[in-house]
Amino acid sequence: DAGVIQSPRHEVTEMGQEVTLRCKPISGHDYLFWYRQTMMRGLELLIYFNNNVPIDDSGMPEDRFSAKMPNASFSTLKIQPSEPRDSAVYFCASSFSGWDTQYFGPGTRLTVL
Amino acid sequence: DQQVKQNSPSLSVQEGRISILNCDYTNSMFDYFLWYKKYPAEGPTFLISISSIKDKNEDGRFTVFLNKSAKHLSLHIVPSQPGDSAVYFCAARNSGNTPLVFGKGTRLSVIA
Repeated sequence: DAGVIQSPRHEVTEMGQEVTLRCKPISGHDYLFWYRQTMMRGLELLIYFNNNVPIDDSGMPEDRFSAKMPNASFSTLKIQPSEPRDSAVYFCASSFSGWDTQYFGPGTRLTVL
Repeated sequence: DQQVKQNSPSLSVQEGRISILNCDYTNSMFDYFLWYKKYPAEGPTFLISISSIKDKNEDGRFTVFLNKSAKHLSLHIVPSQPGDSAVYFCAARNSGNTPLVFGKGTRLSVIA
C-alpha cells in the first residue's frame, strides 16, 4: 500500500486566496483525521471523519476552514480566504478503527504571504 | 488547557548513551498512550504504545514507562543512534473513543 497520500506537498499562496488540500487515506481505513502542526501549538486535531461522516469539527479554527469527504478514498481541507496565520504543515491521517494507531501522510506545507 | 505536555522542546544525547523523553498528562481518564516519531518533511509514524494496565512496554531499543500516580510517562532509547534524531510526540486517549491528544513534541538530536 502506498500509505496516506497528500497533495500538494508545498503550497505558497497570497492572503485572501482559496487553498485546497487533498488527502487519499489508506484503503480500508474507516477513520480520517486532519491535523495542523505549528511551532506554538504543536499537533492540533482539526476534524475527523468516520465512514465519510464528519464526527467532530471542534478543532476547526474558524468558518474559513471547511473539510469534506465525498467518498472513502478522498478528502479535502479548504481554507477560504487564507490568512498568513494559517501558515503551517497540515497532515492527514487514517486508521482502520479505534484510535491506537494512526497512519500519517507526509503533510502539506502551506505558506500564506 | 494542554492535556498532554512535553516540557522539553529539545534534547541532545551522545551516540550510544540513553535518551529519555518525558511526557506529563492531566486527564486521569486517559488509558492508552502512544509515542510517535517524526522526521523532517515526513509525517509522524507510530513508535510504541502502552495501556494503563501496564507500567512498562519494551520493543527493542525502545521502552515506555508509565507512572499513573504521577500522570507521567517516559520513552527510553538505549543505545541512542544518530538515526534516532527526530521529533518525538507523546499522545494519549481515553476509553470513550475520543481522538488522540498530542503533546507539542521534543526534538531529539543524537550526536555521533
